Amino acid sequence: QKEVEQDPGPLSVPEGAIVSLNCTYSNSAFQYFMWYRQYSRKGPELLMYTYSSGNKEDGRFTAQVDKSSKYISLFIRDSQPSDSATYLCAILHSGAGSYQLTFGKGTKLSVIP
Amino acid sequence: ETGVTQTPRHLVMGMTNKKSLKCEQHLGHNAMYWYKQSAKKPLELMFVYSLEERVENNSVPSRFSPECPNSSHLFLHLHTLQPEDSALYLCASSQDRTSGGYTFGSGTRLTVV
Repeated sequence: QKEVEQDPGPLSVPEGAIVSLNCTYSNSAFQYFMWYRQYSRKGPELLMYTYSSGNKEDGRFTAQVDKSSKYISLFIRDSQPSDSATYLCAILHSGAGSYQLTFGKGTKLSVIP
Repeated sequence: ETGVTQTPRHLVMGMTNKKSLKCEQHLGHNAMYWYKQSAKKPLELMFVYSLEERVENNSVPSRFSPECPNSSHLFLHLHTLQPEDSALYLCASSQDRTSGGYTFGSGTRLTVV
């Protein structure tokens, strides 16, 4: 079983829509949860970072973690064409002195004006 | 640029060539990483350097050889590559290995012919 599952999409929404992006994970040792955004021909950039269950808000973006269900989400309110990108979830876990950041495949989002 | 600079941006090489990818960061980070990004696959961690010491080598073929001469520079030396090695190669850095907040470069798009 893959450690981090993410629907690759593509996902296409009209401008102004609420977008929900999701990942599931299998390893209970995962401790820190991140969302990265990757524009075409660019490297990923860190968007949100959280380590506990619950919600974390930053402007139009909300990251949600449910550790009991091993499920993480990113919500984008009032989506804009500039939000069109690939969104990657990433989860950091540690054990025996080693740290591993595991990425999902990424979901490609298009916001249509 | 994000603070992590990668050169060249694009590279086409034959299977018998030798080339090197370069990565540079002046963020004061102590950990640097090489990732491979292929279509429809999650980011694959190749090598990790922490304080200039290689701490992880994820079963990468010997035709890929990393070098970290100091904490600001990271190289990936390539020789006798295969067509399936064609991908986007991303360099990243972080404050230390316990941080999941990576800063990525824009990558080198490698095509092996």
